[in-house]
Amino acid sequence: DAKTTQPNSMESNEEEPVHLPCNHSTISGTDYIHWYRQLPSQGPEYVIHGLTSNVNNRMASLAIAEDRKSSTLILHRATLRDAAVYYCILRDRGTGNQFYFGTGTSLTVIP
Amino acid sequence: DAGVIQSPRHEVTEMGQEVTLRCKPISGHDYLFWYRQTMMRGLELLIYFNNNVPIDDSGMPEDRFSAKMPNASFSTLKIQPSEPRDSAVYFCASSLIGLQQETQYFGPGTRLLVL
Repeated sequence: DAKTTQPNSMESNEEEPVHLPCNHSTISGTDYIHWYRQLPSQGPEYVIHGLTSNVNNRMASLAIAEDRKSSTLILHRATLRDAAVYYCILRDRGTGNQFYFGTGTSLTVIP
Repeated sequence: DAGVIQSPRHEVTEMGQEVTLRCKPISGHDYLFWYRQTMMRGLELLIYFNNNVPIDDSGMPEDRFSAKMPNASFSTLKIQPSEPRDSAVYFCASSLIGLQQETQYFGPGTRLLVL
C-alpha cells in the first residue's frame, strides 16, 4: 500500500492561511488522495479529495503536485474550530474500500 | 439523515466480560466499516461489510473479536472475553458504494475501557 508522510504537528495563527503538506512518493496512477480530519473526541470527517487536478470546496483547497508525489491541503483562514488532526490518505483501486490512516498532522490554531 | 449512529458512547467493563458495540449506518449505504483507535496504533480498520456480507476481516485482532451485520441498518462488534488491551475508541463508518473516490462517514465512536 502506498504510504504518506506528514509532519507530526503544525501551528497557525487564527484567520491566517494554513498549508498542510503530505508526501506520497510511491503513489500510483489510480490512487485518489483523500484528506480527513478528526476534531477532539469526534470521529474522522471528510475534508476533500482529488486525483490529478487541484480541487476546491467550501472547507478547503487541495493542491496536487504535477508529478503527484506530494499534495497540500490549504485552509484559507484558520479558525479555532479547525484545530484537529489532519490525515492524508491514498486510496487505490485494489484497496479502495480500505483507509490506511497514518499518524496525521496535529494542527494547533493560536488565537 | 442523522448520520452514523453508535451505541453506547462510553462503556466501562471488567476484564473477562462480554462487550457489544452497536452501529446503525446511514440509510442506503452499502458499505460498513469498523475501526479501532488507540494512542499506540492510531486508527486501524478491523473489518468491513458490503451488503451485509463481511468482505475483509484481516484487521480483526483475534478470535475474541467478532462482527455481524444481520441487516442493512444494524451491525455489532463483540468482544468476548474482553481484556484491558482492548481499551480504545471504536468507530463505525459507512459509505454509499466502494469506489476509491468515495467518502466514508464516521460515527462518533464508542470509548471502551476494560478494567
